[in-house]
Amino acid sequence: KAGVTQTPRYLIKTRGQQVTLSCSPISGHRSVSWYQQTPGQGLQFLFEYFSETQRNKGNFPGRFSGRQFSNSRSEMNVSTLELGDSALYLCASSLEPDSNQPQHFGDGTRLSIL
Amino acid sequence: GENVEQHPSTLSVQEGDSAVIKCTYSDSASNYFPWYKQELGKRPQLIIDIRSNVGEKKDQRIAVTLNKTAKHFSLHITETQPEDSAVYFCAGGGGSQGNLIFGKGTKLSVKP
Repeated sequence: KAGVTQTPRYLIKTRGQQVTLSCSPISGHRSVSWYQQTPGQGLQFLFEYFSETQRNKGNFPGRFSGRQFSNSRSEMNVSTLELGDSALYLCASSLEPDSNQPQHFGDGTRLSIL
Repeated sequence: GENVEQHPSTLSVQEGDSAVIKCTYSDSASNYFPWYKQELGKRPQLIIDIRSNVGEKKDQRIAVTLNKTAKHFSLHITETQPEDSAVYFCAGGGGSQGNLIFGKGTKLSVKP
């Protein structure tokens, strides 16, 4: 069974631009969560999607948004990029949306803002 | 909301020694505690998890213990090997927050 797939792996943008990241969950997994990983801050929860609906949201500004499609694939969008948005963005999928379910991560998209 | 604290932030051990990483959580409703290992440049990988109805779980050289009363859980790695070198993250879930809350990670270095 294929794992969680994230594209692209690397991305370089400049301040003010916007970016869209993609995540394909493990086949059969219906919940997708997104995290931002920066040195010293660990993994910070962005949001979770299930059945094409945002189920939960972390403490990030409205510039960060996402969506989920009927095949459970998810996209994350960041608008008006800032230098501080440079990070590794990870998505994780699980069978069901409960936070007591094992989550499996993708390799991440490393976003660099110049 | 849930808060998960993890200690130590760095840990260096000699090959063959044991390593222990500790986490505390604040939400007494949390009932699921996974541990992830992240090697440099790679994805976090689930290595073991424990639910609140169990006090201890083992998988070969790895074990996790949970103390619900004190709200803390620990990862124990015995007979460490250089390939155990990585960043380890604990997390708490199933509580009122509705999502997994991660600790800030422990960088484990195993010296040959």
